[in-house]
Amino acid sequence: GQSLEQPSEVTAVEGAIVQINCTYQTSGFYGLSWYQQHDGGAPTFLSYNALDGLEETGRFSSFLSRSDSYGYLLLQELQMKDSASYFCAFGSSNTGKLIFGQGTTLQVKP
Amino acid sequence: NAGVTQTPKFQVLKTGQSMTLQCAQDMNHEYMSWYRQDPGMGLRLIHYSVGAGITDQGEVPNGYNVSRSTTEDFPLRLLSAAPSQTSVYFCASRTDAREGSPLHFGNGTRLTVT
Repeated sequence: GQSLEQPSEVTAVEGAIVQINCTYQTSGFYGLSWYQQHDGGAPTFLSYNALDGLEETGRFSSFLSRSDSYGYLLLQELQMKDSASYFCAFGSSNTGKLIFGQGTTLQVKP
Repeated sequence: NAGVTQTPKFQVLKTGQSMTLQCAQDMNHEYMSWYRQDPGMGLRLIHYSVGAGITDQGEVPNGYNVSRSTTEDFPLRLLSAAPSQTSVYFCASRTDAREGSPLHFGNGTRLTVT
């Protein structure tokens, strides 16, 4: 079957670095995406990895290892506004269908 | 700059009633999809469409119908509402089905079935 696993909750302090892991299982794999969702809001796109390695966008970076079926989102210089849920998602076919993990709730404390 | 517009924002239904959740996008996106979000369950794909006239099932399609008669609109129909369909529903679109293009989400419809 197809599945993604993420930790359900992560807590960190303002200014710190936090890593949110995602492992996946699927017969076809086209890339790993990350989305952010603030409480009561709509998910918004953060990053996408098609190839192994690190992609950096400002304070956020995302990593993928296809051989390990594993990726992570790295958030640096944490700010209070980073408190949100973070979802990894993969495309498993050439139809564009995107399957999401259950999400990780990040709480940033002062 | 409307993006993806969902209506209504809130809806309460009685068991057995039917209704249509509306979704419209003004970005000329080929790909559109519907997700439901329940606590602790993440976002689950209900149905999706790669273009006008083409629809397909996602992970949890039972109890829902869709159609795509135009590029802009992708309504989701609940045929006979059940309490298990109480959820937040998100419509999302992307440029096309190619990997890497970001999904743009609407603000959601919060549905309660009593």
